[in-house]
Amino acid sequence: SQQGEEDPQALSIQEGENATMNCSYKTSINNLQWYRQNSGRGLVHLILIRSNEREKHSGRLRVTLDTSKKSSSLLITASRAADTASYFCATDEETSGSRLTFGEGTQLTVNP
Amino acid sequence: DSGVTQTPKHLITATGQRVTLRCSPRSGDLSVYWYQQSLDQGLQFLIQYYNGEERAKGNILERFSAQQFPDLHSELNLSSLELGDSALYFCASRTGLKGGYTFGSGTRLTVV
Repeated sequence: SQQGEEDPQALSIQEGENATMNCSYKTSINNLQWYRQNSGRGLVHLILIRSNEREKHSGRLRVTLDTSKKSSSLLITASRAADTASYFCATDEETSGSRLTFGEGTQLTVNP
Repeated sequence: DSGVTQTPKHLITATGQRVTLRCSPRSGDLSVYWYQQSLDQGLQFLIQYYNGEERAKGNILERFSAQQFPDLHSELNLSSLELGDSALYFCASRTGLKGGYTFGSGTRLTVV
């Protein structure tokens, strides 16, 4: 079953704009991770935020985590056409500890 | 190249048949995880192995089985295939039991 719900399901923006994707989850977690998938290809790990962290940056990516609301957001700044992909959040849960539970993903389209 | 190698990349087979998917983890990674990605179920965790032993089981059908060999490569066996088994099958490995996962590029299975 899917742990997370991602919002929006699809997002279309212009190059140079910022893109924000949200993820909600249901259980206690060890960490939350974001992955990117280009059409039908492999998943690429973008960033991991631990349950005791509130914000993390990596290049043009900014991730926030609110464990009280069981939610996370991924911000991509100054988007590029090459950022077009599906983005998934995945939780590493305290109870399982050895697997990722993925959300349904957000399809981001960046128009040149 | 992520360092996780999956073969074959594509597989087309008939219903009722049996196939074997192969995964070689990143050098030094002891854990191997299998995931299935389908349009209706999204990304689902199937099974995890750590240093040759099964560690966790997810939504894996009884018709499916896996193993991890002494050289740490893993095989996922799918038998009595049904049309609904058509999906992308991903393998991932991980350094230790914390941190991000590295995914292979997947095997696209089509059952006809």
